[in-house]
Amino acid sequence: DTAVSQTPKYLVTQMGNDKSIKCEQNLGHDTMYWYKQDSKKFLKIMFSYNNKELIINETVPNRFSPKSPDKAHLNLHINSLELGDSAVYFCASSPGQGFEKLFFGSGTQLSVL
Amino acid sequence: QQPVQSPQAVILREGEDAVINCSSSKALYSVHWYRQKHGEAPVFLMILLKGGEQKGHEKISASFNEKKQQSSLYLTASQLSYSGTYFCGTLISGGYNKLIFGAGTRLAVHP
Repeated sequence: DTAVSQTPKYLVTQMGNDKSIKCEQNLGHDTMYWYKQDSKKFLKIMFSYNNKELIINETVPNRFSPKSPDKAHLNLHINSLELGDSAVYFCASSPGQGFEKLFFGSGTQLSVL
Repeated sequence: QQPVQSPQAVILREGEDAVINCSSSKALYSVHWYRQKHGEAPVFLMILLKGGEQKGHEKISASFNEKKQQSSLYLTASQLSYSGTYFCGTLISGGYNKLIFGAGTRLAVHP
């Protein structure tokens, strides 16, 4: 069983469209995260949720809206996609709030044309 | 706030050793190391929580010097499977902790 799973793995879309990425973890962890990895491999935190509550919102444009229906799921919806949104988006989870041992999903490669 | 990693890239022959450094301008309370293989997700290697603490993962070990605000990752007798990008991360406090990663060190091990 995959511990942290993301769908889709690849997402190719036009500028201006709206898209969603889904993430689920079966580890029983309390905290989930979204990280963005740009073309230079720089990994940057976007959001973290603890038990469905938003903890970190790292100055991300409000076109990005995370949603956590329960502590095992954290989805990312992106409105009005821009070229600069092209990146790999990783979901991750950890047992507590302290960023102990992050378990990453396999990533979603988003390409905005 | 982002930790600084050096070198940016390393090329090794199998069996050779390498050291990757991670330093911060701010006080460090912990250092986290991850490895990301090409096209895959980052994978946790280790966390160092105390000054001077050393930990190991296979033939990969690390040290943490609080006073110097730096950590070093030691890869001994490198194997082909060690190839990938190594990231160090440091916790930044400000209400809630955030794990901030360095820019990564690309390691290529050749036969």
